[in-house]
Amino acid sequence: DAKTTQPPSMDCAEGRAANLPCNHSTISGNEYVYWYRQIHSQGPQYIIHGLKNNETNEMASLIITEDRKSSTLILPHATLRDTAVYYCIVRVNSGGGADGLTFGKGTHLIIQP
Amino acid sequence: DAGITQSPRHKVTETGTPVTLRCHQTENHRYMYWYRQDPGHGLRLIHYSYGVKDTDKGEVSDGYSVSRSKTEDFLLTLESATSSQTSVYFCAISPTSRTNYEQYFGPGTRLTVT
Repeated sequence: DAKTTQPPSMDCAEGRAANLPCNHSTISGNEYVYWYRQIHSQGPQYIIHGLKNNETNEMASLIITEDRKSSTLILPHATLRDTAVYYCIVRVNSGGGADGLTFGKGTHLIIQP
Repeated sequence: DAGITQSPRHKVTETGTPVTLRCHQTENHRYMYWYRQDPGHGLRLIHYSYGVKDTDKGEVSDGYSVSRSKTEDFLLTLESATSSQTSVYFCAISPTSRTNYEQYFGPGTRLTVT
């Protein structure tokens, strides 16, 4: 799996868009980009994933650069409840479920009131 | 939120005793997973299941066993608890599809072995 690099921490004002970057310069053609977050003392939460195209769901948008070497997770209107550690993961969809998720250090996003 | 519950949510037990943690889902998903999360080690896969009575080992399976007799329940048993198994345990589920890294996690069980 390709290695990912994320800033260790970021601040964002409540109500503003939070843009979380992820670098995955060694990504291969069949690897997907996944984003998860973990709020303190809770289980990890799936946010979104994508391969090439930009994706949007009710939680966030995922922008993947054309060369796929980096991506940005966008929380359009951040709230205090979005304070969490955000993890960017690159994985091949194996179809077997044999590999578990592993998280790196992630980005600690702090939403300021 | 995906319908996943874990029980108990907190447990303190003594070294050498058996412990069973339960994961229950209401989503009818095929894949279920047990992870542990520890400071400095992050999230690690213990066992997973790809169907009723179909299970396999993950990265850190020693000292753990699992069973899945029904789609909705996945049990994790610590056969003889040790202090190194003090951890937070998370269950996760995944839809029946090739997108197996889209996983939904339960609230966790905090286990302390004294």
